[in-house]
Amino acid sequence: GAVVSQHPSRVICKSGTSVKIECRSLDFQATTMFWYRQFPKKSLMLMATSNEGSKATYEQGVEKDKFLINHASLTLSTLTVTSAHPEDSSFYICSGRELSSYNEQFFGPGTRLTVL
Amino acid sequence: GNSVTQMEGPVTLSEEAFLTINCTYTATGYPSLFWYVQYPGEGLQLLLKATKADDKGSNKGFEATYRKETTSFHLEKGSVQVSDSAVYFCALMKNQGGKLIFGQGTELSVKP
Repeated sequence: GAVVSQHPSRVICKSGTSVKIECRSLDFQATTMFWYRQFPKKSLMLMATSNEGSKATYEQGVEKDKFLINHASLTLSTLTVTSAHPEDSSFYICSGRELSSYNEQFFGPGTRLTVL
Repeated sequence: GNSVTQMEGPVTLSEEAFLTINCTYTATGYPSLFWYVQYPGEGLQLLLKATKADDKGSNKGFEATYRKETTSFHLEKGSVQVSDSAVYFCALMKNQGGKLIFGQGTELSVKP
């Protein structure tokens, strides 16, 4: 199947700083990318959907000014957690979907964010 | 609203045991249903899917049948292996190209 990578795999930062997470589709063009958040023992919660070259669409309750998403190319999307706080500590997972596979998303391995 | 409920984990089985992980959903109409698997340290992978009632998805010895009458999509495997140890997620998609709605995941541990 198609491969999606995320970088970094884990990051620790101080409260008040910003953290950028990269999501790359390595062998396909991801016209749409999704960002999820996963709490321990909990399901994946969709945060936002982004189409290449367009502004992201955020789910209800997700602060767009706090979680900045950029999808400037067909192989790269970034999630920036601005002014991070301990409650933002979580596992962030991205996925990509190409135009021809409307039902299938390919997931990255996730990024563990810890805010001290 | 649309939702997915899975049985609580962790589930611990001996090798070659029979596996069932229950999944029920709430949705109007006819969603597509999916099982994803997440091996340790890796991303979610699509395991199988079914797009209409009575369809059976199957892959790697796993099966699940789309039951509209019971709104269920239970995952089964006749004989599990240690390598099947992972977290399994049931999910639905309401419309083509729509967003995935996940259950909470069920951790499976298979002992030799």
